[in-house]
Amino acid sequence: AQSVAQPEDQVNVAEGNPLTVKCTYSVSGNPYLFWYVQYPNRGLQFLLKYITGDNLVKGSYGFEAEFNKSQTSFHLKKPSALVSDSALYFCAVRGGYNKLIFGAGTRLAVHP
Amino acid sequence: DTGVSQNPRHKITKRGQNVTFRCDPISEHNRLYWYRQTLGQGPEFLTYFQNEAQLEKSRLLSDRFSAERPKGSFSTLEIQRTEQGDSAMYLCASSLASTGAGNTIYFGEGSWLTVV
Repeated sequence: AQSVAQPEDQVNVAEGNPLTVKCTYSVSGNPYLFWYVQYPNRGLQFLLKYITGDNLVKGSYGFEAEFNKSQTSFHLKKPSALVSDSALYFCAVRGGYNKLIFGAGTRLAVHP
Repeated sequence: DTGVSQNPRHKITKRGQNVTFRCDPISEHNRLYWYRQTLGQGPEFLTYFQNEAQLEKSRLLSDRFSAERPKGSFSTLEIQRTEQGDSAMYLCASSLASTGAGNTIYFGEGSWLTVV
C-alpha cells in the first residue's frame, strides 16, 4: 500500500535561511508525489508535483522539491525562507483511483 | 476558473442532528473527492466520484455518511445523527481525468463541522 511519512512535526528556521521539509514514501510502482501547503483555517494549496523527468521540481512561491529514488524521498526546499512561509505542509502520494494519501504534516515556523 | 467552492464554511450542530455540505468543483473537472481532516492530522480520504458514479468509499465512511453527485456536477455530503467524533473539517477536491495519474487535485477551503 502507498504511504508517505513526514518525520518532523515541526521545523524552525530563521528568515532568510534555507529550509527543508522532509518526506519519504513507500509505493509499489512509479511514485506520483505532491506537496501542499495549508494556512490556518484554510484548505490545501497545491505547491508542486513529481510525475516523471527531472528529479528537481520547481513549484509555487519559490519552493522546489528533490525526488530521490534510491532514498525514496521527496524533500521540499526553499533557498531563502520568508516569515509568510509559516504554515502546515503536507506531502502526498497518489493512490488507487488517483486519490491522494497524505502524511501527517509538518509545521514550518519561520522566525524574523 | 473560480476554484472549488464549499458551503457552508462553518456549521455548529447539536449531537443527533443531520448536516449537509455542498461542493461545487472546478468547471469541467469530472473527478471529485471528499476528505476529512481533524486537528493536527493530515486529510483522510472519504470517497471519490468520477462524473456521477461513486467509485470508491473509505471504511471511514460509516452508514451515517452519504455522498451524492447528481448529474456529475456539484456534490453533497450528508452526515446523519451527528456525533461529537464527527467534528472535523470536510474538504472537497476536484481534478480532470486523464490516462495517467499526474493531474493535479485542487482543494476547496473546507467546511468546518462542530458537533456540540
